[in-house]
Amino acid sequence: GENVEQHPSTLSVQEGDSAVIKCTYSDSASNYFPWYKQELGKGPQLIIDIRSNVGEKKDQRIAVTLNKTAKHFSLHITETQPEDSAVYFCAASTAQGGSEKLVFGKGMKLTVNP
Amino acid sequence: GAVVSQHPSRVICKSGTSVKIECRSLDFQATTMFWYRQFPKQSLMLMATSNEGSKATYEQGVEKDKFLINHASLTLSTLTVTSAHPEDSSFYICSARRYLGASLNSPLHFGNGTRLTVT
Repeated sequence: GENVEQHPSTLSVQEGDSAVIKCTYSDSASNYFPWYKQELGKGPQLIIDIRSNVGEKKDQRIAVTLNKTAKHFSLHITETQPEDSAVYFCAASTAQGGSEKLVFGKGMKLTVNP
Repeated sequence: GAVVSQHPSRVICKSGTSVKIECRSLDFQATTMFWYRQFPKQSLMLMATSNEGSKATYEQGVEKDKFLINHASLTLSTLTVTSAHPEDSSFYICSARRYLGASLNSPLHFGNGTRLTVT
C-alpha cells in the first residue's frame, strides 16, 4: 500500500521567512496530493491540493510542487506569519474504482516566531 | 466553501457507557464519509469508510462491533463508541468527500473533531 513520509517533523522560523515541508510517497499510482493545516484542538483544514497532471500550483503565499519521477512533493509558505503556526499534514491518494483513501504523513509542527 | 460539522466537540463519559458522535456535511451531499482517530502529536489513523445506504468498511484492526457507524442520509454519518473504556479516549475526526462529478479525487473536508474522555 501507499506510504507517505514527511519531514522535518518540526520547524521553527522567524516571521517573514519562508518554510518548506517535504513529503515522499511510494505508490506511483497516486495521483492526488492535498495539504492540510491543523490548529490545536481542531480538525485538519484543506489549504491546497495538487493533481498528478500538474507540476506546480500556487495560492497567494502558499505553493505546492510535485515531482512524479522522484515521487516527492513539497509545500512552500512564503512571508510566514505567526498565524501560520500549526501542524501541517501532507497526504496522497489513489483513485481506485471510486474507493479513494487518503494516506497521511506524520505531520510537521511549524512555529513562526514574531 | 464546504463545511463539515461534527458534534459534540467534547464529551466525557463513564467506562461502560456508549457515546454517539455526529458528522454532517452542511452545504453538500456526501456519499462517502470517513472516520479518523488521532492520538496526541500523531497523524490521523483511518478507522472506517462510511457509505450512504450500505455497510461501513472498517480498516484492519478496528472493531466494527465497538465502533458502530451509520450513514443514513447523504448529509449525516454517526459513529457510536459502544461500551467505552479509558483506552478509547482519543480525538475522533470525521471527514466528507465533496463529489466533483466525473473528476477524480474530490476534496476531503474535515470536521473539527470530538475529544472523547472515558473515565
